[in-house]
Amino acid sequence: EAGVVQSPRYKIIEKKQPVAFWCNPISGHNTLYWYLQNLGQGPELLIRYENEEAVDDSQLPKDRFSAERLKGVDSTLKIQPAELGDSAVYLCASSRGTHSYNEQFFGPGTRLTVL
Amino acid sequence: AQSVAQPEDQVKVAEGNPLTVKCTYSVSGNPYLFWYVQYPNRGLQFLLKYITGDNLVKGSYGFEAEFNKSQTSFHLKKPSALVSDSALYFCAVRVLYSGAGSYQLTFGKGTKLSVIP
Repeated sequence: EAGVVQSPRYKIIEKKQPVAFWCNPISGHNTLYWYLQNLGQGPELLIRYENEEAVDDSQLPKDRFSAERLKGVDSTLKIQPAELGDSAVYLCASSRGTHSYNEQFFGPGTRLTVL
Repeated sequence: AQSVAQPEDQVKVAEGNPLTVKCTYSVSGNPYLFWYVQYPNRGLQFLLKYITGDNLVKGSYGFEAEFNKSQTSFHLKKPSALVSDSALYFCAVRVLYSGAGSYQLTFGKGTKLSVIP
């Protein structure tokens, strides 16, 4: 089966510009996650969707970050405006079902550089 | 506080030798524990998990991990290391995040494994 697809793979923007990342999860996976991974750190959860509903967005900086998952499949994560500290890798993951013991399947990530 | 720790930033082992990557955790209740591996420019890949049952868990690519409740550890092991095992390894534990009232995975900082030919 095809894995989690993310685009773009790399993005370079200037600070204060907007940026968007796209994720297509594995077919049939109804739970989707967006993580932030800083250099030398493990991933940190930003938001989790069950189908089209954001069930956990408590760690999403809502003043500049937004996300959507229309129709419960693809998802987009947006930053507006970007700040220097947003430079990181943004990972998307998906899992079958909603139980917290289900393994997550990760995409390759989008590496964002804010200048 | 609920957390997971990987005490070693880097582990080096000779090819053919056994390897161990350490992980300790602190959670309330029964832990759900996971190991993931990350190759350069690729996403994390699931290796194995412990939910309940046998303390020795077998996973992908010949890896296994031992759950030790008294030592609150979940070390990753492999009897004979391959050069291709060189990668970044992450331990993760399910924690109850009070801000959302739901469970999340908390990841360690990762351990870079280098297998020397």
